[in-house]
Amino acid sequence: QITLKESGPALVKPTQTLTLTCTFSGFSLRTTGEGVGWIRQTPGKALEWLAIVFWDDDKRYNPSLRNRLTVTKDTSKNQVVLTLTTVDPVDTGTYYCAHSPTVTVAFDAWGQGTLVTVSS
Amino acid sequence: DIVLTQSPATLSLSPGERATLSCRASESVSTYLAWYQHKPGQAPRLLIYEASKRATGIPARFSGSGSRTDFTLTISGLEPEDFAVYYCQYRANWPLISFAQGTRLEIK
Repeated sequence: QITLKESGPALVKPTQTLTLTCTFSGFSLRTTGEGVGWIRQTPGKALEWLAIVFWDDDKRYNPSLRNRLTVTKDTSKNQVVLTLTTVDPVDTGTYYCAHSPTVTVAFDAWGQGTLVTVSS
Repeated sequence: DIVLTQSPATLSLSPGERATLSCRASESVSTYLAWYQHKPGQAPRLLIYEASKRATGIPARFSGSGSRTDFTLTISGLEPEDFAVYYCQYRANWPLISFAQGTRLEIK
């Protein structure tokens, strides 16, 4: 059974850097074909894909946020970390991590999400 | 950039009825199209991947069809728990991923 859980600060001040951690079980990012992505939903908006990292350390980003995002993996801890720099109140929302095998490139298991508020 | 458009924005139906949700791409995405169900306070759930393959544990009343630019999610015989927001998502010109704006399926 694949499980994922997001963790990180609930409140971040504008211009600061947001760092979120996804801790997962049931698969390994050492295994060929495995990937973990990040998706968010800001209030009243649709789901927005942010970034994805694969077993071979290939990393891809949403072009509209590319210069603010970094995704890294720690295979020994079964964790993926997302950083978003220079946050703004429009970055307020629920952030999800999700399992994405390359065979489907769909997100077939999701964490519960973590609500992040950007406010001074 | 490829743009995904879902229609209708809102669909009002009664339990037992058939729901037909549309997702249209501005360019071909082959069959790299997935559908998700999202309920308030919950994580999204994968229903369909590669346009027509049901994800593990998804009831047979959910079906997907289409290719290239036109895709459909059909829910035959709506159950009360099916009322939610539905999103389509594509993978094209890999590695780009994008979600559409969603269709809200509400009880009539």
